[in-house]
Amino acid sequence: EDQVTQSPEALRLQEGESSSLNCSYTVSGLRGLFWYRQDPGKGPEFLFTLYSAGEEKEKERLKATLTKKESFLHITAPKPEDSATYLCAVQALSNTGKLIFGQGTTLQVKP
Amino acid sequence: IAGITQAPTSQILAAGRRMTLRCTQDMRHNAMYWYRQDLGLGLRLIHYSNTAGTTGKGEVPDGYSVSRANTDDFPLTLASAVPSQTSVYFCASSPGLNYGYTFGSGTRLTVV
Repeated sequence: EDQVTQSPEALRLQEGESSSLNCSYTVSGLRGLFWYRQDPGKGPEFLFTLYSAGEEKEKERLKATLTKKESFLHITAPKPEDSATYLCAVQALSNTGKLIFGQGTTLQVKP
Repeated sequence: IAGITQAPTSQILAAGRRMTLRCTQDMRHNAMYWYRQDLGLGLRLIHYSNTAGTTGKGEVPDGYSVSRANTDDFPLTLASAVPSQTSVYFCASSPGLNYGYTFGSGTRLTVV
C-alpha cells in the first residue's frame, strides 16, 4: 500500500534558525514527489516536484531533496512569513495522476 | 478568474439533506479531484476525473457522487448528508500525469 509519513508533526523555530522537515514514503514505483504549502483557511499551494533520487529544487529559503525512501524540505534562515503547514505527496506510477498526501508538518517561526 | 473557484465557501447543513459542492476551473486542465481534509487524517481523495466524461473512486467515496459533463466543472454531491461528512472539501485540477495540482480555496461543511 502506498503511504506517506511526515515528521515532525509540528516544529517551532526562531527566526533565522535553519531546520529540515522529513517526508518518508512507500510507493510501488515513484512517478513524482510533491511539496505544498498550506496557510490557515486556504487551499494547498504548490511548491516543488521531484522525480528521481538525487534531484534538488530550490525556491527562496526552501530547498527540497529526494532519495529513494524519503524527501527533505530544508528551510534556511526562516522568517515568520514561512509559518504554515507543509504537505508532502507522492504520485505512483500505477496511479492515474492521484496524489497520496502525508498529514503535514505545521511550522511556526517566531520573530 | 484564474484558477479554481469553489462554492459555497462554507455551509451548515441538516443531516439527511442533499447538497452539491460546486467546482469550476478556467485552466482547461484535463484532470480534476475532490479531497476532504480532516484534523489528524490529512487530505483524502474522494473522487477524481482524468478527463471530461470519466470519473473514478478515490480512498473515501461512500456517500458522495460526482459528474464531469465538461472540462471546466466537477460538482460533488452528498445525497443524504451525515455528521461524519463534516469536513473541509477541496477541489483540485491538474494538466495531467507528472504535474502538481492547483487547489481551490475550499468549502467548510458542517452537518448537524
